[in-house]
Amino acid sequence: TQLLEQSPQFLSIQEGENLTVYCNSSSVFSSLQWYRQEPGEGPVLLVTVVTGGEVKKLKRLTFQFGDARKDSSLHITAAQPGDTGLYLCAGGAGSSNTGKLIFGQGTTLQVKP
Amino acid sequence: GAVVSQHPSRVICKSGTSVKIECRSLDFQATTMFWYRQFPKQSLMLMATSNEGSKATYEQGVEKDKFLINHASLTLSTLTVTSAHPEDSSFYICSGRQGSYGYTFGSGTRLTVV
Repeated sequence: TQLLEQSPQFLSIQEGENLTVYCNSSSVFSSLQWYRQEPGEGPVLLVTVVTGGEVKKLKRLTFQFGDARKDSSLHITAAQPGDTGLYLCAGGAGSSNTGKLIFGQGTTLQVKP
Repeated sequence: GAVVSQHPSRVICKSGTSVKIECRSLDFQATTMFWYRQFPKQSLMLMATSNEGSKATYEQGVEKDKFLINHASLTLSTLTVTSAHPEDSSFYICSGRQGSYGYTFGSGTRLTVV
């Protein structure tokens, strides 16, 4: 069974601070995705990483896929209150035909003004 | 971009009744749709994978007779919670797959069983 361990599960920081969220597994994933979810809504895709060692940037967010494609990280620079939300990593599991996504436990981020 | 419309957004039902949740892919054909369940402050737990025209594949521990999934067309998948009980109260989310990495999520359905 492929599992994704996401840490930390809760994070409360002050505006302007930096933070990193980790997503680790003992299994290799063909791709990893990061989502952000607001309360009462569905997850919204932030990024998809496919190649080992890949780094993608989305404004103040930096995503990295491990060389072995077993782990990923999300780094937020100078966090703002608008970044508050639930961040989820998800990896493709099962055969390429099923294409199901398995989610990590999620990181609840609170950025205080 | 791809959009998945999920209805209803909220539903309250009495214990013992059945509730149907619909997910429609509005501008793409979703040969595969996924159904997730999410408890407060927790992550999404995959319940089942539905493929158009075939039986759904359920994850271990998910009762297929309780959570009926139908994927009769390339744009519509439904989840019916049968004989609902208070412990079935949760946030249900569907996702349509488009291509290798394209997953579009619905806005979720908050089910409350009283």
